[in-house]
Amino acid sequence: GQQVMQIPQYQHVQEGEDFTTYCNSSTTLSNIQWYKQRPGGHPVFLIQLVKSGEVKKQKRLTFQFGEAKKNSSLHITATQTTDVGTYFCAVGGYNKLIFGAGTRLAVHP
Amino acid sequence: KAGVTQTPRYLIKTRGQQVTLSCSPISGHRSVSWYQQTPGQGLQFLFEYFSETQRNKGNFPGRFSGRQFSNSRSEMNVSTLELGDSALYLCASSAKTGFSSGANVLTFGAGSRLTVL
Repeated sequence: GQQVMQIPQYQHVQEGEDFTTYCNSSTTLSNIQWYKQRPGGHPVFLIQLVKSGEVKKQKRLTFQFGEAKKNSSLHITATQTTDVGTYFCAVGGYNKLIFGAGTRLAVHP
Repeated sequence: KAGVTQTPRYLIKTRGQQVTLSCSPISGHRSVSWYQQTPGQGLQFLFEYFSETQRNKGNFPGRFSGRQFSNSRSEMNVSTLELGDSALYLCASSAKTGFSSGANVLTFGAGSRLTVL
C-alpha cells in the first residue's frame, strides 16, 4: 500500500532557529496534506498541496511540493515556543489518508 | 459551528471487555474516518464511512468494527480488548471526498483515550 517516509523523527531547536521536516514517497502523489498536533491535542489541518512544484506560505511556515510530486517539505522560519508539536504529512486521497510518522519539534527558549 | 465531538474522552477497560466509542461529525459532513494513534505505530487508519457505508478499511483485525447512522454520527466498537488496544482513538470528518483540490481534508475530534488493563 501507499507509504510515506517522514524525517527527522525529532528535532530540538533553540527559539529563533529554523526548522524543516521532509516527507518522501516512492510513488507519485496526487496531493499531500500537512497537519500539526500540539502535545496532548489532536491533529489540526495546516495545508494541502496539489500542484507540481507548488509553494505555499502561512506566515512563518513555508510548504513545498516537489516537481515530481514525490516529496514535500515544511519549513518554519525563526521558530517560536508556540510551534512546539508534532508535524505530520498525510497522503492518499479518496476516503483514506496515510500519515507519516511525524516530526516532533521541541523549541527551547 | 461545532467541531467534531467524541465521547467518552477517557475510559479504562480490562482485557476481554468491549468498548464503544462515539463520534458526531461537523454538521453537514458526511464522511467520518477513524484513526488509532499509539506512540509505537503512529496514526493508523481504521475505517471510513460515507452515507452509512464503509468505503475503506485499514489493516486491523475483525475485533474492530464501526458503523455510521443516517445522521452521519458514527460509532466504533472494539471487542475482546487486548493490552495493545490502548491508544488514542481519533475520529475525523470531512466535507468533501474524492480527488479534487481540498478533498479529504480532515477535521479531527479531541479523541477518546482508551486504556486497557
